Amino acid sequence: QVQLQESGPRLVRPSQTLSRTCTVSGGSISSSYYWGWIRQLPEKGLEWIGYLSRSGSTHSNPSLRGRITISVDTSNNQLSLNLTSVTAADTAVYYCTRGGGTGGSFDLWGHGTLVTVSS
Amino acid sequence: DIQMTQSPSSLSASVGDRVTITCRASQRISTLLNWYQQKPGKAPILLIFGASSLQSGVPSRFSGSGSGTDFTLTISSLQPEDFAVYYCQQSYSGPTFGQGTKVEIK
Repeated sequence: QVQLQESGPRLVRPSQTLSRTCTVSGGSISSSYYWGWIRQLPEKGLEWIGYLSRSGSTHSNPSLRGRITISVDTSNNQLSLNLTSVTAADTAVYYCTRGGGTGGSFDLWGHGTLVTVSS
Repeated sequence: DIQMTQSPSSLSASVGDRVTITCRASQRISTLLNWYQQKPGKAPILLIFGASSLQSGVPSRFSGSGSGTDFTLTISSLQPEDFAVYYCQQSYSGPTFGQGTKVEIK
């Protein structure tokens, strides 16, 4: 059974870089899925951040483009997210996700972690 | 961006009720529409993909329909564990989600 486990700092200072790591267990991150990130802003809905496609190219939300780096470490079966120049508006629960299933669905999610941007 | 609008934003229902949630896309998206359930403090889980296909392990009381711009999620007989927030998501162009529909106990 494939599981996703997120890790990383839960408090980030404004203007700094938010970094998250997702470790995939029970399966290979090299499998034919999209691996990426979705966030949920406080008391609000879900916002797609971006993902790496099967070809290895990054697709990201236009509203965040230029600030996002998503990468894969196949040797450690990990996915990473870096979001630069954060502000309080980036405070959210960050989820690691597996996508690319039929209908473009996200069929597997990590547990999610609240990351707070504050000085 | 393709905007997804769900209605209602919330509803109250009793165990055993038939519940219907609608989702409208701002442009045609074929059947590239998925539904998720989220309970407090938990990650969303996939219920329906491709507008009408039931995800493995999801009870058959959940069903989805629609194509183009208008979609529906139906719970045929609401169970206590179904009280949650439901989201639709389009994958036609840069995934976007609806604002959610909260299903509460009446």
